[in-house]
Amino acid sequence: EAGVAQSPRYKIIEKRQSVAFWCNPISGHATLYWYQQILGQGPKLLIQFQNNGVVDDSQLPKDRFSAERLKGVDSTLKIQPAKLEDSAVYLCASRGAVQETQYFGPGTRLLVL
Amino acid sequence: AQKVTQAQTEISVVEKEDVTLDCVYETRDTTYYLFWYKQPPSGELVFLIRRNSFDEQNEISGRYSWNFQKSTSSFNFTITASQVVDSAVYFCALSEADDGVSGGYNKLIFGAGTRLAVHP
Repeated sequence: EAGVAQSPRYKIIEKRQSVAFWCNPISGHATLYWYQQILGQGPKLLIQFQNNGVVDDSQLPKDRFSAERLKGVDSTLKIQPAKLEDSAVYLCASRGAVQETQYFGPGTRLLVL
Repeated sequence: AQKVTQAQTEISVVEKEDVTLDCVYETRDTTYYLFWYKQPPSGELVFLIRRNSFDEQNEISGRYSWNFQKSTSSFNFTITASQVVDSAVYFCALSEADDGVSGGYNKLIFGAGTRLAVHP
């Protein structure tokens, strides 16, 4: 079974530029999560989708971050405009049926200069 | 509020030593889940174990073992006879039982992680 796929793996941009990350969850997984992991810290949830609806986006900086999950499969996370403090690893995870475990993708490492 | 504390920032051991990674959690929920994930240098979080709050039985999987004690709100992880391949950052995480929408558990609250270095 294929795991969670993410792209790109690395991205370097300058502050005030825009960037987008893509995630393809494990086939059949209805729940999708985006986490932000700043260097030296544990991941923190940005947004959670159930199919194509948002369950929790309370920690998403909505003035600059946006995310969508059209058709309830792939998801895109966008930052516009980026700030220096957005430098982090962005992890996508998915979960299948009730009570199952979250499985993570390899992440996208973002560096904002 | 939910919180996970991993007091050990870094641990360094020599191969074949046993090592225990500590995890202390806080929650007001009576039903919750605890997890351990491994993050090797490649960056991907690898699932190791999930425990629900009603199952305090310790678990052993090969060289790995977990000690869950509700009385002290701890969920410690021991690696026996450590190997160089065990070098990674290990995260303990906590979640509530129900996110109220999907029927499954809520977001994961992670600790800050413990970096384990196993030297030959």
